[in-house]
Amino acid sequence: ETGVTQTPRHLVMGMTNKKSLKCEQHLGHNAMYWYKQSAKKPLELMFVYSLEERVENNSVPSRFSPECPNSSHLFLHLHTLQPEDSALYLCASSQDLSNGEGEKLFFGSGTQLSVL
Amino acid sequence: SQKIEQNSEALNIQEGKTATLTCNYTNYSPAYLQWYRQDPGRGPVFLLLIRENEKEKRKERLKVTFDTTLKQSLFHITASQPADSATYLCALDRTGGFKTIFGAGTRLFVKA
Repeated sequence: ETGVTQTPRHLVMGMTNKKSLKCEQHLGHNAMYWYKQSAKKPLELMFVYSLEERVENNSVPSRFSPECPNSSHLFLHLHTLQPEDSALYLCASSQDLSNGEGEKLFFGSGTQLSVL
Repeated sequence: SQKIEQNSEALNIQEGKTATLTCNYTNYSPAYLQWYRQDPGRGPVFLLLIRENEKEKRKERLKVTFDTTLKQSLFHITASQPADSATYLCALDRTGGFKTIFGAGTRLFVKA
């Protein structure tokens, strides 16, 4: 148990659906992240939040919309996705954004998303 | 562009032997290098962090080396066990913060 919980674990959606992924961290961390992991590809950083403010948006299409209502919760709202968006979506947290000492990332188990 | 290379082919070794995984990088000058373990259907789990001014780091059966001249890190698991079977990810960071970039990982199989 890493202290980062993601729901749902699996999600199948059509291209016209709207769904949301949820992440909650119980570690008292200040930074939260969304990553995308496609098969046999490196993790791709999507969004970064620090103290509830978005600090990074890595050229992610607008069909992905993040929300961070407080430092413990992070959402990823999905709408009109494409089949190539099918992947494992991972939430992570770290104590801070950058402390100059190297931040360890704590990941949730991910949501396996299939877009039909 | 920045690039991290890890062996894309799986590594198969016999229980009790030392597993050695390689991480090479180009067009990057990381200040920190991390190794994570990922099991199927799970998120990565942090294992070790090594700084650019450190040559070697150990934790129990794990050892990491960091050669900034060769732009390479080696990750060793001694006395390997079937429970060590997983994918191991190399991650680099220049800032000590959130711009960590990951390799695609190497799958390790340890046979009993």
